[in-house]
Amino acid sequence: AQSVTQLDSQVPVFEEAPVELRCNYSSSVSVYLFWYVQYPNQGLQLLLKYLSGSTLVKGINGFEAEFNKSQTSFHLRKPSVHISDTAEYFCAVTPFYNTDKLIFGTGTRLQVFP
Amino acid sequence: DAGITQSPRHKVTETGTPVTLRCHQTENHRYMYWYRQDPGHGLRLIHYSYGVKDTDKGEVSDGYSVSRSKTEDFLLTLESATSSQTSVYFCAISVSGDNYGYTFGSGTRLTVV
Repeated sequence: AQSVTQLDSQVPVFEEAPVELRCNYSSSVSVYLFWYVQYPNQGLQLLLKYLSGSTLVKGINGFEAEFNKSQTSFHLRKPSVHISDTAEYFCAVTPFYNTDKLIFGTGTRLQVFP
Repeated sequence: DAGITQSPRHKVTETGTPVTLRCHQTENHRYMYWYRQDPGHGLRLIHYSYGVKDTDKGEVSDGYSVSRSKTEDFLLTLESATSSQTSVYFCAISVSGDNYGYTFGSGTRLTVV
């Protein structure tokens, strides 16, 4: 079975500062990895995904993530955040052989202060 | 939202009453999913469907049933609503191949009083 751990439930940061949201997963097989963002009172929007290939994945809104197989991590980064990045961020994983079940972490609330 | 419509968007219902949430898609996707979102739990899979009349249970299926009589509609029914089913419910579709990924609807906020 697969599981996802988002180590920080909340991350406060000042505007224009860099940020890293951490995600670790557990799986005995290869996985596909995703980051989703949820703005207040909205649905989930895909930020980026790793299926194969380059381990550094670039997404929308200036976010990027790096897949590290040896550390089973997929941390999300942005070099300079904006107030508008305030949202909840979810990491998710699915095994490559059974993509019917996307498993989510518990989420990290990013709060950007002016 | 890739042609995914959830209805209703908000609902308040009483304990013990049946409730049906609807998910409608316009792009003929084979796979559809129902998730619930609760603080501290992220999103958890309730049921999913891999075709008309083909459904299976997810992680938190107790107290829920689903039906898919047409490709475009996936219904989630709470047989007898309980306060523990107060949640935000999201429908999703998945796309296979090089563009593999999930797309979510806008959600239904259900309150059971």
